[in-house]
Amino acid sequence: KAGVTQTPRYLIKTRGQQVTLSCSPISGHRSVSWYQQTPGQGLQFLFEYFSETQRNKGNFPGRFSGRQFSNSRSEMNVSTLELGDSALYLCASSFGQGGIIEKLFFGSGTQLSVL
Amino acid sequence: QKEVEQNSGPLSVPEGAIASLNCTYSDRGSQSFFWYRQYSGKSPELIMSIYSNGDKEDGRFTAQLNKASQYVSLLIRDSQPSDSATYLCAVNIGYSTLTFGKGTMLLVSP
Repeated sequence: KAGVTQTPRYLIKTRGQQVTLSCSPISGHRSVSWYQQTPGQGLQFLFEYFSETQRNKGNFPGRFSGRQFSNSRSEMNVSTLELGDSALYLCASSFGQGGIIEKLFFGSGTQLSVL
Repeated sequence: QKEVEQNSGPLSVPEGAIASLNCTYSDRGSQSFFWYRQYSGKSPELIMSIYSNGDKEDGRFTAQLNKASQYVSLLIRDSQPSDSATYLCAVNIGYSTLTFGKGTMLLVSP
């Protein structure tokens, strides 16, 4: 069974540009979550999608957005990039049914560098 | 704000020893708890989950949960150099959303 697939693996952008990251969940998983990981702040939750609807959102500015398609694949977009957006962006998938036994599985991540 | 606290470490243990990693959480209503292992340059890997008070064992790993004290721990028996990694404690805060501690770095010396 294939795991969570994220593309691209690495990205280099300059300030002011925008970027789109992609995530394909494990087959059968309908929830996709996005996290930002930096050395100083650790893993921080961005947003979570289930059946094409955003169910939960973290404390990030509106420059960060996402969407989910009918096949559960998800994209996240960051507009007007800032130097501080340099981070590892991780996607996680789960069945999304809620309940205490819900387990999240992470993709390999996209390492974004903003110059 | 729902928080998860971990000692950043590094926690250094000799090969064959027991490594004990600890985590506290702020939301008394939390019901599910997870430990992830993250090697340098890699993504987090789920190694344990626990939902009920007490101990849960899986191979060399034991997760312990004390909801009254809002405390979760991970014990690694017979530690190996390959266990050297950052261990992340995570708490489910609703739907399929986790809040993470900043992680404890474990170093196992041969």
